[in-house]
Amino acid sequence: QQQVKQSPQSLIVQKGGISIINCAYENTAFDYFPWYQQFPGKGPALLIAIRPDVSEKKEGRFTISFNKSAKQFSLHIMDSQPGDSATYFCAASMRRDDKIIFGKGTRLHILP
Amino acid sequence: DTAVSQTPKYLVTQMGNDKSIKCEQNLGHDTMYWYKQDSKKFLKIMFSYNNKELIINETVPNRFSPKSPDKAHLNLHINSLELGDSAVYFCASSQQVAYEQYFGPGTRLTVT
Repeated sequence: QQQVKQSPQSLIVQKGGISIINCAYENTAFDYFPWYQQFPGKGPALLIAIRPDVSEKKEGRFTISFNKSAKQFSLHIMDSQPGDSATYFCAASMRRDDKIIFGKGTRLHILP
Repeated sequence: DTAVSQTPKYLVTQMGNDKSIKCEQNLGHDTMYWYKQDSKKFLKIMFSYNNKELIINETVPNRFSPKSPDKAHLNLHINSLELGDSAVYFCASSQQVAYEQYFGPGTRLTVT
């Protein structure tokens, strides 16, 4: 099943709080899990990505946690800022394919 | 020095018309894509070209015809436009595999 399920659909977090977005997948052949960030009126841009042989990857305030046995991965945004307000997409792909499967997106709003 | 560019940014037209959207990338990538993003922000892949050759055609009505004159350009022509075609269309490019895609700024198509 070539599907990536993302939750929640929308999320409101206070400034300084932790934003958490979760994703689940079915196909164990996926070998790359990127997160894309999209600001209003702009195209999506790669934010951070992880491979299944790593359980966690951190870049600044953004961390991906990966649970291979549960086939789940999540994005944590620490010390969330109003400038983080955007739509976030989790995704999955595999080397032999030429496409990325995107989740349905999470609209994140950080309250000032 | 824009990486992936699209023209036009906005396109308003009437039902039944034919229109084209142009995309160019200066990243030297081999693969280019067209995505449709609906009002709920869901990103759906439409086509993918690798070195001017069509490799993905995702159940898109044959009113949509992509054309790749060279590997830096991928244009989208739409015949007999319908109300349901209203959306934002994104062009993207990547190196040989789909892992990291670079998106253009999008073309907002409104069919009245």
